[in-house]
Amino acid sequence: GENVEQHPSTLSVQEGDSAVIKCTYSDSASNYFPWYKQELGKRPQLIIDIRSNVGEKKDQRIAVTLNKTAKHFSLHITETQPEDSAVYFCAASTGAGNKLTFGGGTRVLVKP
Amino acid sequence: NAGVTQTPKFRVLKTGQSMTLLCAQDMNHEYMYWYRQDPGMGLRLIHYSVGEGTTAKGEVPDGYNVSRLKKQNFLLGLESAAPSQTSVYFCASSYSPDSSENTIYFGEGSWLTVV
Repeated sequence: GENVEQHPSTLSVQEGDSAVIKCTYSDSASNYFPWYKQELGKRPQLIIDIRSNVGEKKDQRIAVTLNKTAKHFSLHITETQPEDSAVYFCAASTGAGNKLTFGGGTRVLVKP
Repeated sequence: NAGVTQTPKFRVLKTGQSMTLLCAQDMNHEYMYWYRQDPGMGLRLIHYSVGEGTTAKGEVPDGYNVSRLKKQNFLLGLESAAPSQTSVYFCASSYSPDSSENTIYFGEGSWLTVV
């Protein structure tokens, strides 16, 4: 089955700096790659996603890039703010039943 | 439009007891899922369903059973709870044939402690 690895497990950045989280996946059939943000005690919330026919997608301060050949994708957060502090999860899906395989998560701390 | 609703939100069980977690969605979604999340870890798929009357195993199905008798409901059962099943359980749903949207929406979670 699919295996998704996520790095780093923790990331501390100064407010205003950029944060980058990287994920690799194993199943070349995976074609959907969402990113979720989870605040303490809350449900995962979708923040951005990308499909395999697109190399990059941007939404205001967040962007995701996908390299299908290398089987990795990354989340970029620019101009970080304290409210960006949370755990971020990447995931991959082959589309069959939309089953998601999650990475282990990255705890992001934005220091004011 | 409540989205995905889980009950109960919190439960403490004794080892060997049984219980059922209920998930309900009002988005006419075809697919439903149960994930568990252990401290400091990502979510792992327990079971899922691609339509009313269907269920399938995910990554970590042992010790759990599920049923999807109605399209809007997906039940997760623990027949004989074990301390290793202490976790946060998230239900999710996706795919409406009306809109072809594939976004996966999560419920608020159910905190289960087995003592």
